[in-house]
This record gives sequence, C-alpha cells and structure tokens, in this order.
Amino acid sequence: GQQLNQSPQSMFIQEGEDVSMNCTSSSIFNTWLWYKQEPGEGPVLLIALYKAGELTSNGRLTAQFGITRKDSFLNISASIPSDVGIYFCAGHPTGNTGKLIFGQGTTLQVKP
Amino acid sequence: NAGVTQTPKFQVLKTGQSMTLQCAQDMNHEYMSWYRQDPGMGLRLIHYSVGAGITDQGEVPNGYNVSRSTTEDFPLRLLSAAPSQTSVYFCASRLTGAGWADTQYFGPGTRLTVL
Repeated sequence: GQQLNQSPQSMFIQEGEDVSMNCTSSSIFNTWLWYKQEPGEGPVLLIALYKAGELTSNGRLTAQFGITRKDSFLNISASIPSDVGIYFCAGHPTGNTGKLIFGQGTTLQVKP
Repeated sequence: NAGVTQTPKFQVLKTGQSMTLQCAQDMNHEYMSWYRQDPGMGLRLIHYSVGAGITDQGEVPNGYNVSRSTTEDFPLRLLSAAPSQTSVYFCASRLTGAGWADTQYFGPGTRLTVL
C-alpha cells in the first residue's frame, strides 16, 4: 500500500532551537496535514495544506506542500518545552475519497 | 458540543472474546473513521464511512466490522479478539468538501489489551 516516510524519527533539542521535519511519498497527494499528539491523547491538527507550493503558518509553526505534491515539511521556530510530543504528517492520496495515510511520526523532546 | 467521544477508555479482553468500541460525534460530520495506533507506527485506517448507511474498508480491516446507522455513531466491532489487536484505537470525524482537513477531529482513544 501507499506509505509516507517521515524523518527524523526522533529529535532531542535545546529550548530556543528551531526544528524541521519532513515527509515524502512515492505517489502524489492532494492534501497534506500535520498533527501533534501528546501522551494519552488523540492527534490534534496543526496545519492543513491544500495546494502544491502552499506555505502556511500557525504561530511558530510553518508547513509547506511540496511543488511535486510528493512531500511536505514542518518547521517549528524557537522551540519551547510544551512543544514536546509526537508530530505526524498525513496525506490524502489522489483519486481516493476516504483514506488518509499517516507517517510514522517524529518524537520531539525539548530540554529547558 | 462534546466533539468526538469514545468509550471505553481502557479495555482488557481474552482471546476469542468479542466487543464493541463506541464512537460518537455531535458536530453533524458526514465522514467518520477508525484508526489503530501501534508503537513506532503512525495511525492505520481500519474502516471509514462517508455517511449513514455507507461504510468502506481501510488499510487493515480484517477482524473488524463497522456499521453506520446514524450520522452521530460509528461503532467498531471486534468479532473474535486476538493478541495482534492489542492497540490504541482512535475514532475521527470531519466534514466533506472544500476545506475538509481543517474540520477533522480525533477522539481521546481506547486502549485495548487482548490477552
């Protein structure tokens, strides 16, 4: 089946540093989404991207929909301790009405 | 507005037992779905529904049944539980149409252990 490759798998950074993570796919996606999941909770949507080349910000978070439609990245600027969690990318493939494919997740730890 | 609710929060089953995981939403969302999450993996789609009376299979449907008799409810049934079904199960709902991704919400999850 379709797969998303998300990297890095984990990150351990100092408070104040910037963070970058990305997802790639072998096939084209119509929509890219980025989620954050905290322990014991369901994923929460951070940013949704609908068009190739789209660059969208949500506070300190910025995400882009790659122009090839096969990749996306998420940047977090000036990280703070509450950024800790697992970040997932998800993509909605072309020609499919219902399915959302998730990456494996990036675990972020922030040292105060 | 409670969003997406799931019950139970935790469940332990013995191999071969059956059970139903409940999911409900009060946002009048057409689309509902069930995912399972295993350690080190992203969420994998089990079944989904684009409206009452319509369901379809996701990536990992074997061993699970669903039905959608109302817009609000989307129960997931484990027919004969197996240890491989030990996982965290998430229900999600959203609108369809333009901007759909901004309306997707996940429930808090059900943590299932099959012994």
